[in-house]
Amino acid sequence: DGGITQSPKYLFRKEGQNVTLSCEQNLNHDAMYWYRQDPGQGLRLIYYSQIVNDFQKGDIAEGYSVSREKKESFPLTVTSAQKNPTAFFLCDCRSGINYGYTFGSGTRLTVV
Amino acid sequence: AQKITQTQPGMFVQEKEAVTLDCTYDTSDQSYGLFWYKQPSSGEMIFLIYQGSYDEQNATEGRYSLNFQKARKSANLVISASQLGDSAMYFCAMREGWSQGGKLIFGQGTELSVKP
Repeated sequence: DGGITQSPKYLFRKEGQNVTLSCEQNLNHDAMYWYRQDPGQGLRLIYYSQIVNDFQKGDIAEGYSVSREKKESFPLTVTSAQKNPTAFFLCDCRSGINYGYTFGSGTRLTVV
Repeated sequence: AQKITQTQPGMFVQEKEAVTLDCTYDTSDQSYGLFWYKQPSSGEMIFLIYQGSYDEQNATEGRYSLNFQKARKSANLVISASQLGDSAMYFCAMREGWSQGGKLIFGQGTELSVKP
């Protein structure tokens, strides 16, 4: 079945450490997006990519980096500059010609 | 700037009754899309219903309907015949145009609790 897969489900990060969250889709969708959700809050956009080898900053890009070398993959790296302790990260993807949106199941990141 | 406002942090409803979750939006675009998502405690975002800005009829999907009042810029979600499994966070979101990235802007959410 087509879908979007995020891994790992849980991730622990030491202060000063970089970690990478995976987002893979086999829906052949052009655009992919990363959101962060803090406890009790809505989702805020970190980065997005509408086409391979191109990506744009969202509202809270500081401390994060991304790449889009393949259409299927949009990994997010949380760098040591990101001070937020714990958050839930969601990836979604959609086609530019319809309004279908598919979210991954999320990664919960905790700083230890 | 585009904005979504959900003014009800928490709502309670009796099982089998209907409930309305409020959502207002602000945009200067003529073409936009409005969405409702359900987020259970597991964290996954479950798509419920979509309304396009040019759609003349209110969207319906099973027990979910979207009360779209364009002039008032509101897009309230109505859940009929509430079930215990409806207890979750509910988010209203608006899609920006594709030329602006097609990204979703979310409200703060409403936590719905269904009482037996």
